[in-house]
Amino acid sequence: AQSVTQLGSHVSVSEGALVLLRCNYSSSVPPYLFWYVQYPNQGLQLLLKYTTGATLVKGINGFEAEFKKSETSFHLTKPSAHMSDAAEYFCAVSDLPAGRRALTFGSGTRLQVQP
Amino acid sequence: DAGVIQSPRHEVTEMGQEVTLRCKPISGHNSLFWYRQTMMRGLELLIYFNNNVPIDDSGMPEDRFSAKMPNASFSTLKIQPSEPRDSAVYFCASSFKGLAGPDGETQYFGPGTRLLVL
Repeated sequence: AQSVTQLGSHVSVSEGALVLLRCNYSSSVPPYLFWYVQYPNQGLQLLLKYTTGATLVKGINGFEAEFKKSETSFHLTKPSAHMSDAAEYFCAVSDLPAGRRALTFGSGTRLQVQP
Repeated sequence: DAGVIQSPRHEVTEMGQEVTLRCKPISGHNSLFWYRQTMMRGLELLIYFNNNVPIDDSGMPEDRFSAKMPNASFSTLKIQPSEPRDSAVYFCASSFKGLAGPDGETQYFGPGTRLLVL
């Protein structure tokens, strides 16, 4: 069975500061990992994903994440926060190699950006 | 492409009534997913179709919930009878199973249906 743990349900940073959102996963097979962002009253938008290959993945809006197998982590970072980054962020895992395509989501981290 | 389309966007109903949520996946996609989002349980899978066939319905809460996909461009999620604990945001997502490359298997989400059962 898969699971995802997002440390910190709320994270607050100042505009221009580093954004770090933490995600740890558990999977019995090599995982496919995703970060989605949800703006208020909207659906989920894919930020980035890791399937195979390069462990540092770059996504949209300046975000990136690094897959660390030894730490079972897939933390999301952005060097400089912008006010428009305020949203809820979800880490998700799928056992795609095992054929289970549905996503298992973490509980989400709400990012606040202070001016 | 218009993306995943869901209707209605908002639904308010009374306990005991039938509720039908609708989803139109992205054209050409062959996998469709229904998720539910609540404060208590977060985002959880309800059911997943591939080529219009239900593959995994282990997340469907109980017999009051049913989902169909009569063709590749339409799916419904029905709740009958509805209960206050069904109040949630219901998301539909679609993807293309087997697509190679950077867009392979990516799930695209609709805007959701916000359901309130009084």
